[in-house]
Amino acid sequence: GENVEQHPSTLSVQEGDSAVIKCTYSDSASNYFPWYKQELGKRPQLIIDIRSNVGEKKDQRIAVTLNKTAKHFSLHITETQPEDSAVYFCAARGSTLGRLYFGRGTQLTVWP
Amino acid sequence: NAGVTQTPKFRVLKTGQSMTLLCAQDMNHEYMYWYRQDPGMGLRLIHYSVGEGTTAKGEVPDGYNVSRLKKQNFLLGLESAAPSQTSVYFCASSFPRVSLLAGGHNEQFFGPGTRLTVL
Repeated sequence: GENVEQHPSTLSVQEGDSAVIKCTYSDSASNYFPWYKQELGKRPQLIIDIRSNVGEKKDQRIAVTLNKTAKHFSLHITETQPEDSAVYFCAARGSTLGRLYFGRGTQLTVWP
Repeated sequence: NAGVTQTPKFRVLKTGQSMTLLCAQDMNHEYMYWYRQDPGMGLRLIHYSVGEGTTAKGEVPDGYNVSRLKKQNFLLGLESAAPSQTSVYFCASSFPRVSLLAGGHNEQFFGPGTRLTVL
């Protein structure tokens, strides 16, 4: 099956700086890569996703890049704000129907 | 439209007791999933279902059983709870992969979670 590695496990940045979280995957057949944000005590919620036929996708301060050859994808958050503080999970959808494989998460802390 | 709901929100069990967690969705999703979330371990798939009457094992299925008797409901059962099953349990649902090919949405929608403690 698919194996997703996520780094770093914790990330602290100053408000206004950029944050980058990186993930690698193992199954070359994976074709969908979502990112979820989970605030303390809440459910994970999708913030951005990318399909394998696209190299980059942006949504305001958030962007995701995908390198299929190297099998890695990254989340970029610019102009970070304290409300960006949360745990972020990357995931990859492998060959099995609909199933997502999640990374272990990154705790992002944005200091004012 | 309530989305994905879970009951109960919290539960404390003694070792050996049994319980059932209920997940319900009103989005007409074919696929449903049960995950457990433990600190530093991310979201691990317990069981999933690709349609009414079908279930399959995920990566951590031992000690759990599931049933999908109705399309909108997915039940997770613990027959004999163990302290190692202390965790936060999330249910999720989505459209099937085939809808991606037709331009459908891929997102898995999560329920609010159930915090289970086994003493």
